Amino acid sequence: GENVEQHPSTLSVQEGDSAVIKCTYSDSASNYFPWYKQELGKRPQLIIDIRSNVGEKKDQRIAVTLNKTAKHFSLHITETQPEDSAVYFCAASQGGSEKLVFGKGMKLTVNP
Amino acid sequence: KAGVTQTPRYLIKTRGQQVTLSCSPISGHRSVSWYQQTPGQGLQFLFEYFSETQRNKGNFPGRFSGRQFSNSRSEMNVSTLELGDSALYLCASSLAPGAVTEAFFGQGTRLTVV
Repeated sequence: GENVEQHPSTLSVQEGDSAVIKCTYSDSASNYFPWYKQELGKRPQLIIDIRSNVGEKKDQRIAVTLNKTAKHFSLHITETQPEDSAVYFCAASQGGSEKLVFGKGMKLTVNP
Repeated sequence: KAGVTQTPRYLIKTRGQQVTLSCSPISGHRSVSWYQQTPGQGLQFLFEYFSETQRNKGNFPGRFSGRQFSNSRSEMNVSTLELGDSALYLCASSLAPGAVTEAFFGQGTRLTVV
């Protein structure tokens, strides 16, 4: 079955710096890659997603890139702010199913 | 538009008991998935339901079961509870499988087994 690896597991940056989270997946049939942000005690919320027919997608300070050949995708956050502090999860799924396979998560701390 | 609603929010049960958790999806959403979240294992897929049918099941023992009703509401049941079942149980709803649309999560049910 699908396996998603995520690294690093923790990252601490200064406000205004950039942060990059990398994920790899194993199943070449996966074609949907969402990223979720989970603040302490809250539900996971989708922040951006990318489908396998697209190489890059950007939404304001957040961008995601996908390399299907290498089976990895990354989340880039620019101009980080303290409110970006949270746990970020990457996930992968295949068309025809809503089953998401998640990475283990990365705790991002943005220091003011 | 109301979000995904899970009840109850918190539960404390004793080993050996059983528990039923409920999930009401966003209006119009017909697909419901369940996940177990623990500090050690992260978010792990339990099952996926659409049109009252289980479409997918994760690698959990048979003590974990679920169902979906005609109004798309879903329940999951855990029998013969073990200490290791303590976790946050999250459900997510989406329009339909195959549409590859955003999955919206509920606030979760925090289950503690003592």
